[in-house]
Amino acid sequence: EKVMTQSPATLSVSPGERATLSCRAGQSVNSKLAWYQQQPGQAPRLLIYDVSTRATGVPARFSGSGSGTEFTLTISSLQSEDSAVYYCQEYNNWPVTFGQGTKVEIK
Amino acid sequence: EVHLLESGGNLVQSGGSLRLSCAASGFTFSSSGMTWLRQGPGKGPEWVSTISGSDSDGGTFYADSVKGRFIISRDNSKNTLYLRMDNLRVEDTAVYYCAKALYKWNPFDQWGQGTLVTVSS
Repeated sequence: EKVMTQSPATLSVSPGERATLSCRAGQSVNSKLAWYQQQPGQAPRLLIYDVSTRATGVPARFSGSGSGTEFTLTISSLQSEDSAVYYCQEYNNWPVTFGQGTKVEIK
Repeated sequence: EVHLLESGGNLVQSGGSLRLSCAASGFTFSSSGMTWLRQGPGKGPEWVSTISGSDSDGGTFYADSVKGRFIISRDNSKNTLYLRMDNLRVEDTAVYYCAKALYKWNPFDQWGQGTLVTVSS
């Protein structure tokens, strides 16, 4: 079954600290893994694709890693504007599937 | 600059129909894979349907939840993407987004602002 499981559901981090978000796939996604950021009232924004490639204009503090079925999004030094919900998405084959999201709060 | 603008969302009764439109600009629309996604209240995004660009086979893909009820299409002369939605259900209530593919079909590097579809019982 194509399920993407994100953890934790909510993450509270102090400004300047590191935030680590996890995403687990129910089966191998062959490195077809993306991360999106969604701020309140806005559409999702592509941050990372192909596991670790930053999209155009994304700050270097965002990085992606992982392989197989385990993936991580790291925000190296949290800024106030990073408060948002983050979703992982696999696009290995149809139907593409999103995780349920991790909400990042500023402590 | 890429710009995607959805329209057509509305309040409709269960069993009714709607057609959503997405006007695109700032990129070569005809050769881009385009997708409709939706997001229900308090939920993550859900993929709905994708249509290939003209440099591919023109294929269309649908989520099982909408197959047989929704039809995706495009008019490359108008740079517009459509989603015809028939036999709407309460569970179709969501903000519907159109999105452009970075590669042939995925991932989604540009999104519109969304249009709200509400299906009442």
